[in-house]
Amino acid sequence: DVKVTQSSRYLVKRTGEKVFLECVQDMDHENMFWYRQDPGLGLRLIYFSYDVKMKEKGDIPEGYSVSREKKERFSLILESASTNQTSMYLCASSLRLGSQQFFGPGTRLTVL
Amino acid sequence: DAKTTQPPSMDCAEGRAANLPCNHSTISGNEYVYWYRQIHSQGPQYIIHGLKNNETNEMASLIITEDRKSSTLILPHATLRDTAVYYCIVRVANSGAGSYQLTFGKGTKLSVIP
Repeated sequence: DVKVTQSSRYLVKRTGEKVFLECVQDMDHENMFWYRQDPGLGLRLIYFSYDVKMKEKGDIPEGYSVSREKKERFSLILESASTNQTSMYLCASSLRLGSQQFFGPGTRLTVL
Repeated sequence: DAKTTQPPSMDCAEGRAANLPCNHSTISGNEYVYWYRQIHSQGPQYIIHGLKNNETNEMASLIITEDRKSSTLILPHATLRDTAVYYCIVRVANSGAGSYQLTFGKGTKLSVIP
């Protein structure tokens, strides 16, 4: 079974802090994704990566950056956390673009 | 525009089959039907997908009508752990840019009752 793990289940940070969210998958998937999920807004794509060191913006990249130095690891960075970035952050991976995505357990981030 | 329509909620008795419907009347010929579910405070979980033939795996069965305008996800023996929000989505599979993003609608909240 594909396993996608995220570094934290719950995280509390202060406004202006730099925040790192890490995601690791163990199935040698080419593609990895970062989403945020908010009540009433559904799942929104922040960034995705289709290969090491390659990244593409999703629908809401502002205020975020990503890093993919190794195939199995995809990091989401909040350069200067703000209260409107309080959300559930979900990482996913897939073998091919368009094939089923496998999700991690999520990180619930609260920015105070 | 919403591409799928699902009832907002359903109840199912424990041990019985749960049949979750989904309408996708504007589905294109190259679009697959995917089902995911999300248990409270967890990440979404892939369940099954299909193009036009019925599909079955260890979790569920997927029945797609001949005209492909609707489908039903069947959990054959629902347990309390199947209580979750179930999402039906249509998307082109394996075709590269433009098909990678998952978009969930509101889904169906399934409550399995003891």
